[in-house]
Amino acid sequence: GQQLNQSPQSMFIQEGEDVSMNCTSSSIFNTWLWYKQDPGEGPVLLIALYKAGELTSNGRLTAQFGITRKDSFLNISASIPSDVGIYFCAGQLDNTDKLIFGTGTRLQVFP
Amino acid sequence: GAGVSQSPRYKVTKRGQDVALRCDPISGHVSLYWYRQALGQGPEFLTYFNYEAQQDKSGLPNDRFSAERPEGSISTLTIQRTEQRDSAMYRCASSFNPTYEQYFGPGTRLTVT
Repeated sequence: GQQLNQSPQSMFIQEGEDVSMNCTSSSIFNTWLWYKQDPGEGPVLLIALYKAGELTSNGRLTAQFGITRKDSFLNISASIPSDVGIYFCAGQLDNTDKLIFGTGTRLQVFP
Repeated sequence: GAGVSQSPRYKVTKRGQDVALRCDPISGHVSLYWYRQALGQGPEFLTYFNYEAQQDKSGLPNDRFSAERPEGSISTLTIQRTEQRDSAMYRCASSFNPTYEQYFGPGTRLTVT
């Protein structure tokens, strides 16, 4: 099935560092969502973006909806150990309600 | 309030058997979605409902897969004559309406032996 290109595939960082990951597509999306998934759990919604150019924050997380509507990024500032997990972007195409997910970014934080 | 719940959490079945997976969405959520997630990958869309109407079933792999939501609340995903390749995590999500963000349940891990 179709999946968005997400990068990097994995990141190994030290506690306190900032993190940036992004998602790109050849298709135009009308909604971008960012989820975090812990082992054995379902994806948990972090941030939702609905307009091109929109920049939204949720605590230490900031995400932006690209102007072209074909990309999005997620930044995490001052990472902490509980940030460990897999981060997925997901987008909704125009005229459809299903989500298309990215390939995931696996984040490891070392103390 | 209560989130999306799914049952069973784990299901082991023999090849050729039928299985039914249940999803109970967040109360008041109009839209309900089924996804399948392979290990290490993002969820892949299977089908979705608005109220009791199935809006899109383009992601169902073949005609052994079906889903229903007869009263616009609880949904059942049925897989007939299961095959080993059906083994995966099946996830349900719901949203207040189709344009709102989707919230996921814990999933059902299906293993076909």
